[in-house]
Amino acid sequence: AQTVTQSQPEMSVQEAETVTLSCTYDTSENNYYLFWYKQPPSRQMILVIRQEAYKQQNATENRFSVNFQKAAKSFSLKISDSQLGDTAMYFCAFMSSNSGYALNFGKGTSLLVTP
Amino acid sequence: SQTIHQWPATLVQPVGSPLSLECTVEGTSNPNLYWYRQAAGRGLQLLFYSVGIGQISSEVPQNLSASRPQDRQFILSSKKLLLSDSGFYLCAWSDLTGDYGYTFGSGTRLTVV
Repeated sequence: AQTVTQSQPEMSVQEAETVTLSCTYDTSENNYYLFWYKQPPSRQMILVIRQEAYKQQNATENRFSVNFQKAAKSFSLKISDSQLGDTAMYFCAFMSSNSGYALNFGKGTSLLVTP
Repeated sequence: SQTIHQWPATLVQPVGSPLSLECTVEGTSNPNLYWYRQAAGRGLQLLFYSVGIGQISSEVPQNLSASRPQDRQFILSSKKLLLSDSGFYLCAWSDLTGDYGYTFGSGTRLTVV
């Protein structure tokens, strides 16, 4: 079974600074997808960014980018120019066809952006 | 555009009472549908998923059940709630493969007292 590990339960960053959230996963498969979801205090789950394992290029969405290291099974999220609205829980998630396209989530990292 | 509706937003139920949470999707057909539970301070646990009407797969044994009476309707039920059923329940949908991720509803906070 695939497991997703987020080793940082809590992090904080000052507004306008850059922060990196870590995620590692365990799988024997070669084709899969990785995601970062954001859950603000409203608890609405919002897709932040998506990475296809067969693509070597790291995904980028505005201020959000990932560092995908397939051999190391690492998928970190970098938030640049942090904003107060980035305060949220961030979940890393894994999906593959062998998991029935079920999203497996890590336990999350609580990010606090301070003024 | 596709939208997902989930209700109620908040529910307080006594132990032993029944439960029915509903989720509907608009703007797409034949979606994959999912129920997740998020316990306090923990990640999301997949409870059920459905790839079609009447097709339900259960991921964990529990006193909850799910049904899909219509293509875009997904219902989470229980005949008798336990204290341990308290949590935040999220419904989600995806396309056939789900490889573009899921879209989640706004969730239901269930407190069993």
